[in-house]
Amino acid sequence: QKEVEQDPGPLSVPEGAIVSLNCTYSNSAFQYFMWYRQYSRKGPELLMYTYSSGNKEDGRFTAQVDKSSKYISLFIRDSQPSDSATYLCAMSGRGSTLGRLYFGRGTQLTVWP
Amino acid sequence: GAGVSQTPSNKVTEKGKYVELRCDPISGHTALYWYRQSLGQGPEFLIYFQGTGAADDSGLPNDRFFAVRPEGSVSTLKIQRTERGDSAVYLCASSLGLAGANEQFFGPGTRLTVL
Repeated sequence: QKEVEQDPGPLSVPEGAIVSLNCTYSNSAFQYFMWYRQYSRKGPELLMYTYSSGNKEDGRFTAQVDKSSKYISLFIRDSQPSDSATYLCAMSGRGSTLGRLYFGRGTQLTVWP
Repeated sequence: GAGVSQTPSNKVTEKGKYVELRCDPISGHTALYWYRQSLGQGPEFLIYFQGTGAADDSGLPNDRFFAVRPEGSVSTLKIQRTERGDSAVYLCASSLGLAGANEQFFGPGTRLTVL
């Protein structure tokens, strides 16, 4: 079992829909949680960053972390065709997990006009 | 440059050959990371440097893989006796300090194909 699990999709939604993306993890040492967006043939770019549990909102994006359930989510409101990309969850922590990022396999999202 | 740069962008080689992949981090970033991303998968950690020294090389798959960062800036990932299974996109990232609390900025990657 991988340390970070993510449904690869693909996910296809109409413009304006609310998108929900999720990851689960097994290592309780993780305390930094990130969502990266990756366009085709590009490197990942950081979208959202959350430390420990709680919610964080940035424009149309909301990230949630539930450490008790080892579950993180990303919500995209009013989705746009430009949101079409692969979304990667990533996490890091303390001790042996310090520094390196552990990624999920990514969810491929398509938003059609 | 403003971001992390990687050269070459594409590399095609034959099985058994030696390859070098180069990464130029963002100026002033002390930490540098290498990841490997296979098709349909998320990036997998290989090694990271804090300054010139490899702080964690536990992700290197075997002794055919080696990385250096002699002056604490540019890094080179070296792969000996390449195998078809080494085909992937090799991503480099850098951060101001150790990641977790510090954002990792990724380069565009080097797409390695081993024939």
